[in-house]
Formats: sequence, C-alpha cells, structure tokens
Amino acid sequence: DTAVSQTPKYLVTQMGNDKSIKCEQNLGHDTMYWYKQDSKKFLKIMFSYNNKELIINETVPNRFSPKSPDKAHLNLHINSLELGDSAVYFCASSQGQGVVRNIQYFGAGTRLSVL
Amino acid sequence: DAKTTQPPSMDCAEGRAANLPCNHSTISGNEYVYWYRQIHSQGPQYIIHGLKNNETNEMASLIITEDRKSSTLILPHATLRDTAVYYCIVRVGTSGTYKYIFGTGTRLKVLA
Repeated sequence: DTAVSQTPKYLVTQMGNDKSIKCEQNLGHDTMYWYKQDSKKFLKIMFSYNNKELIINETVPNRFSPKSPDKAHLNLHINSLELGDSAVYFCASSQGQGVVRNIQYFGAGTRLSVL
Repeated sequence: DAKTTQPPSMDCAEGRAANLPCNHSTISGNEYVYWYRQIHSQGPQYIIHGLKNNETNEMASLIITEDRKSSTLILPHATLRDTAVYYCIVRVGTSGTYKYIFGTGTRLKVLA
C-alpha cells in the first residue's frame, strides 16, 4: 500500500490549459503539503494544509489553487499553464506540527511538462 | 532563501563511511536540522533530525557542532543503494506553521 500517492505520475499539456494533480495519504496524518522541484532539483514548499485548513501559502501565482476536501486528500489545480510551470510537483504529509510529528512522507511526484 | 549550504557532489567508496557536511550559520535557537535523501526519480525520504545533541538511528548519525552553525550526516557503511541526493533542511516557523527550507543538496555517489 502506497502511503502518499499522487496522480498522474506524468502530465504533458499545452500552454494555457487548466490541469489538476491529486494526492491522497492513508497514514491518518493531519497535515499535507505541496512542493515544487525545479529543473535544478531545488525543492520549495508551496502550500500546507492542517485538517483541511490552509496554514502555509507561499508566494505562488494565484493560478495555483490547492483544495483539501478532507484531511486525507490535497489536490492542486493549476489554471492557464505557463512554460515556467514545468517541474516535478511533490505531495507530502506529516502527523502534525510537533518535531517528530513533523516528519514528512513524500509521494513519488508528478512530472508536469508544459509545451 | 536557502538557510543551508552543501557541497554539490561527493564520492564515497562502498563500505566506507560517507560524511556529508552542511553549513547553517544563520540557524536560530529553536530551528531543527533535518536530513532527507532523494533517490533518482523518487520522492524525498526522511533520514534523521536534531536540534543540538548528536543523534543516531538505524540509517545514520547526525553530528551538530556546539555553536549549531554546521552539521555532518554520517552514513557509517555506505552501499551502492545509498547513491542519492542528500538534502540538509532547516525547519523554520512557529508552532502551527512550521515549514522546511531545503538546501541545494549533495549528490553522493557510492563507488564499487
């Protein structure tokens, strides 16, 4: 059983399209995250939700909108895709916010290519 | 803004200890250091974390200097499967809004 699963694994699309990436965790964790890893392999947090509530919202274009229908799911919707959005997007989850509870478990990533 | 600096790459002979350094000279008193690794095409995987004491678990040891401005991750007996990018991370923020600030990573290559 995959603890943190993301779909799709690969996403190839045209500029201007709207797309969504889904993430689900079966660890019973309270907190979920979205990260972006650029072509230089630099990982940066985008959003974090705790029990469906947005707690971290980094400087991300408002074309990116996360949605958490329940604490086991955190989806990422991207409007009007641009070339610069091409990256690998990782979902992660943690029990919560304490030191040990903050250990994050990552999904396998979604490789987004915008043409 | 990165809070850590790491060498971009290192090699290590199989069976030897791999010592991966990290500088975090601007770390604040309550900010923890975490280490993760990313094996090709996979998501990052937790290794170890610490505040000021040295830590050891089944995967690795973490040595943090007394002034907390740097740390070293030690893989005691590196294997080929330890070839990966190793990230040194500082956890910043306050309770309820903690977040990881990833470094640029060290690409460790374990040689047979």
